[in-house]
Amino acid sequence: DTEVTQTPKHLVMGMTNKKSLKCEQHMGHRAMYWYKQKAKKPPELMFVYSYEKLSINESVPSRFSPECPNSSLLNLHLHALQPEDSALYLCASSQDGQGTEAFFGQGTRLTVV
Amino acid sequence: GESVGLHLPTLSVQEGDNSIINCAYSNSASDYFIWYKQESGKGPQFIIDIRSNMDKRQGQRVTVLLNKTVKHLSLQIAATQPGDSAVYFCAEPDSGGYQKVTFGTGTKLQVIP
Repeated sequence: DTEVTQTPKHLVMGMTNKKSLKCEQHMGHRAMYWYKQKAKKPPELMFVYSYEKLSINESVPSRFSPECPNSSLLNLHLHALQPEDSALYLCASSQDGQGTEAFFGQGTRLTVV
Repeated sequence: GESVGLHLPTLSVQEGDNSIINCAYSNSASDYFIWYKQESGKGPQFIIDIRSNMDKRQGQRVTVLLNKTVKHLSLQIAATQPGDSAVYFCAEPDSGGYQKVTFGTGTKLQVIP
């Protein structure tokens, strides 16, 4: 199994809603990542978890809250988002947190209304 | 700040021809580079990587060239196929720990049948 699975694939939420994005991998990878990608732009790193501990937070607003319940799961909790937060949210994993050969999920297309 | 960028935003190539996608980087201390392919509606997919102690690395139909003197790398795709149509990103893990990966702006490759 070389897949990173993200759910849901699409999400529309209001600015007062609370929702969560989920990511799962069963490759035994010990590093997991959240990226944000706007249309026609490159992915931008948001968070890195290494061995289930948050190792990098790229100054992401607190309305985005990551969680790593175990080495296979990564969540991104969303609260009070703004329309400009609409984007493709990509999860990735890599074997050892070195940023090498990251495997990406298909992403969650988020629209904030 | 340091950046990774591309010269050409869009490249159109006839099927069967070779493609060359270029990338410039600014951090002379960078020692590792990755090329990713992102097809429409999908997450980025690892293609090939190269370390700074190498000038060239070959994969299946792809070759990456690194010129440290002018801080330039390129991705060459031999006998381009319709399935190669995608956006290609060069990416640069930070040399401090490789967890933070900065993506270049991307080049869209269009293969003309």
